[in-house]
Amino acid sequence: AQSVTQLGSHVSVSEGALVLLRCNYSSSVPPYLFWYVQYPNQGLQLLLKYTTGATLVKGINGFEAEFKKSETSFHLTKPSAHMSDAAEYFCAVSRPSGYSTLTFGKGTMLLVSP
Amino acid sequence: DSGVTQTPKHLITATGQRVTLRCSPRSGDLSVYWYQQSLDQGLQFLIQYYNGEERAKGNILERFSAQQFPDLHSELNLSSLELGDSALYFCASSVAGALSYGYTFGSGTRLTVV
Repeated sequence: AQSVTQLGSHVSVSEGALVLLRCNYSSSVPPYLFWYVQYPNQGLQLLLKYTTGATLVKGINGFEAEFKKSETSFHLTKPSAHMSDAAEYFCAVSRPSGYSTLTFGKGTMLLVSP
Repeated sequence: DSGVTQTPKHLITATGQRVTLRCSPRSGDLSVYWYQQSLDQGLQFLIQYYNGEERAKGNILERFSAQQFPDLHSELNLSSLELGDSALYFCASSVAGALSYGYTFGSGTRLTVV
């Protein structure tokens, strides 16, 4: 079975500060990893994904994440937070199979203050 | 607009009743997934269909059922509703055999059971 742990249900940063959202996974096989963002009253939007190849993955809105197999981690970062980044972020894992389903973490709410 | 359409957006109903949630996947996507999002449980996978066939089942209650029709739209039926069924229900779709692309989510149906 696969699982995802997101450390911190809420993370607060100041505008312009580094954003770091933590995600650790558990998987018996090399996983596919995803980060999604959910704005209020909206569905989830894909930020970035890791499947194979380069372990540093760049996504939309200036976010990036690095797959570290030795640490079973896939932390999400952004060098400089913007007010518009305030949202809930979900890390997800799946088996590397075309018909696998996504298992989500419980989410981290990012709060950005001026 | 993600391309995944869910109706209705909001639904208020009484305990013991039955409701049907509808999802039209993004054009070209053959797989449909249903998720339930609640404050205490987070995002829980319910069920997956691929081209009309049930492909995977998650934490779906026996009171819930789903199907995918020949035109690929899907319906999630919830019966004998309880207060605890109040949640956001998301539908997502993906290209068949291509989980590496991630899911595309609809904007959800908010179900309130009173």
